[in-house]
Amino acid sequence: AQSVAQPEDQVNVAEGNPLTVKCTYSVSGNPYLFWYVQYPNRGLQFLLKYITGDNLVKGSYGFEAEFNKSQTSFHLKKPSALVSDSALYFCAVRDMASNYQLIWGAGTKLIIKP
Amino acid sequence: EAQVTQNPRYLITVTGKKLTVTCSQNMNHEYMSWYRQDPGLGLRQIYYSMNVEVTDKGDVPEGYKVSRKEKRNFPLILESPSPNQTSLYFCASRTTPGQTYEQYFGPGTRLTVT
Repeated sequence: AQSVAQPEDQVNVAEGNPLTVKCTYSVSGNPYLFWYVQYPNRGLQFLLKYITGDNLVKGSYGFEAEFNKSQTSFHLKKPSALVSDSALYFCAVRDMASNYQLIWGAGTKLIIKP
Repeated sequence: EAQVTQNPRYLITVTGKKLTVTCSQNMNHEYMSWYRQDPGLGLRQIYYSMNVEVTDKGDVPEGYKVSRKEKRNFPLILESPSPNQTSLYFCASRTTPGQTYEQYFGPGTRLTVT
């Protein structure tokens, strides 16, 4: 079965430190992978996607994600965290089996402490 | 400004009283979708529409109805709401039904059914 896992409910990082939010997936075929961010009381916003090509994908707000096919992972990263990065982050993968709908992870709450 | 709008943003109702949550997008997107967000469960798709007059069930369609009579509008109807439908609801849209690219989300509707 196709699935997405975000193994951490919450990640705490000090401001200025690098951050990583983890995502692993299980799909048949080539994965299309996405990260979205949800700020408090807002809808989700697209951050970045991996379709094909370079394994390191750059997105909005200084975020990047690394696609690792052998580990079936797509971890979200940022070299230096800001307090304003505090939000809920969702990983998603395209599901070819269900008419190209997205399968969503449960979300990871990122807290950046000053 | 390109956007997805939802109304109302907050709604408290009683069991069994029919309600409609409206969703409208101004980007001429073919694809629209409804999700519900519950703590620890991430986003779960309720219904989606690939184009006008074309709708399909998502993962959790029970108790919901939708219609797509116009390209810009995709209302969510709860004919007889129950307390287990208390949730945060998001509408989303995107272009090109066959390609899962960036989705645009509305601001959300927080529904409480007592």
